[in-house]
Amino acid sequence: ETGVTQTPRHLVMGMTNKKSLKCEQHLGHNAMYWYKQSAKKPLELMFVYSLEERVENNSVPSRFSPECPNSSHLFLHLHTLQPEDSALYLCASSQEASYNEQFFGPGTRLTVL
Amino acid sequence: QQPVQSPQAVILREGEDAVINCSSSKALYSVHWYRQKHGEAPVFLMILLKGGEQKGHDKISASFNEKKQQSSLYLTASQLSYSGTYFCGTLSGNQFYFGTGTSLTVIP
Repeated sequence: ETGVTQTPRHLVMGMTNKKSLKCEQHLGHNAMYWYKQSAKKPLELMFVYSLEERVENNSVPSRFSPECPNSSHLFLHLHTLQPEDSALYLCASSQEASYNEQFFGPGTRLTVL
Repeated sequence: QQPVQSPQAVILREGEDAVINCSSSKALYSVHWYRQKHGEAPVFLMILLKGGEQKGHDKISASFNEKKQQSSLYLTASQLSYSGTYFCGTLSGNQFYFGTGTSLTVIP
């Protein structure tokens, strides 16, 4: 099984919808990350979890709500998004929350209409 | 503060060499390099820690000049498989940022 999986791979939602992105890692890591990748912009770190505790929240709007129920799973709950939130959302994991070798999932391509 | 990469894009013929630079305005603890192929997830290449060491594997190596807060990625005798976007990531304090990216295309 691949190391980091993300579902769904593609998501189209309206501005009033509520949806969730899921990430699962099978590598035995204890740190997980959410990144946003927009066209022509650098990868933006959104959230970092270490041992299921949030350790970084980089000024992300409250319409994005992360959840880490255990060290293998990470969710990103979405509500009342804006069209500018359309992007590729990437999940990553690493052995420790020190940004050491991060293993990325394939991403969820999100389109907000 | 995101590090700045240069060049933004480069096209090489197979067998040619390339250098990608990453520059930060902050004192760095470490520099990380990743490659992302079109439609795929970023893949880790290497980490360089404070101390100015040079690392490498196969024909891809990198250096880190902590005094200048710069790192360079060296690709020698490029292969078609090297095509993709290269990102540096910098760790300063507890802040981690990815750079602006360098698109590298290797043509036959």
